[in-house]
Amino acid sequence: DSGVTQTPKHLITATGQRVTLRCSPRSGDLSVYWYQQSLDQGLQFLIQYYNGEERAKGNILERFSAQQFPDLHSELNLSSLELGDSALYFCASSLRPLANYGYTFGSGTRLTVV
Amino acid sequence: AQTVTQSQPEMSVQEAETVTLSCTYDTSENNYYLFWYKQPPSRQMILVIRQEAYKQQNATENRFSVNFQKAAKSFSLKISDSQLGDTAMYFCAFMIVSSGGGADGLTFGKGTHLIIQP
Repeated sequence: DSGVTQTPKHLITATGQRVTLRCSPRSGDLSVYWYQQSLDQGLQFLIQYYNGEERAKGNILERFSAQQFPDLHSELNLSSLELGDSALYFCASSLRPLANYGYTFGSGTRLTVV
Repeated sequence: AQTVTQSQPEMSVQEAETVTLSCTYDTSENNYYLFWYKQPPSRQMILVIRQEAYKQQNATENRFSVNFQKAAKSFSLKISDSQLGDTAMYFCAFMIVSSGGGADGLTFGKGTHLIIQP
């Protein structure tokens, strides 16, 4: 157990729908990162939050949004889902905003859009 | 654009052998960190080893070591005395440090599937 908790582990939904993925960072970590892993694109950085504020943004679609709450958990919202959004979504956490010692990853949420 | 290339989609070696996974990257930045992550069938991403670009000394972690050639932009991973539990996807990645001290997240390669045969 890495200490980073992601729920749900699996999610199946239809095109056009909206889903919310949840992440609780490792105890003491202030920074949360979201990554998407798909067969086509590989692992891609989506967005980073540090202590409640957006810190860096990667290849995140406009249909996707995220936030980090005062208790430091984070949610990734995916809307108007398309078949191509099917992927493994990882959350990771680190203590500092610059994770030069590497992240701690969660076990991911497998999203299937049908 | 920053890119990471892992030229070996799959490798297979016998248990106890030594194996080297290759990685090259492209960036015009000077301040960055390099990582190898392992993803076993459980799909958990696990940090294997890290290297600061400003350090010439190659990082080592037990059976894992890197050969970092900054001028060639090469960052290979050597696994000595390979074990069955080393079977996994291995991803090379780097992180650029901006002038403000932040970073835009990790840029990953496509991965190498390493199979350790008994």
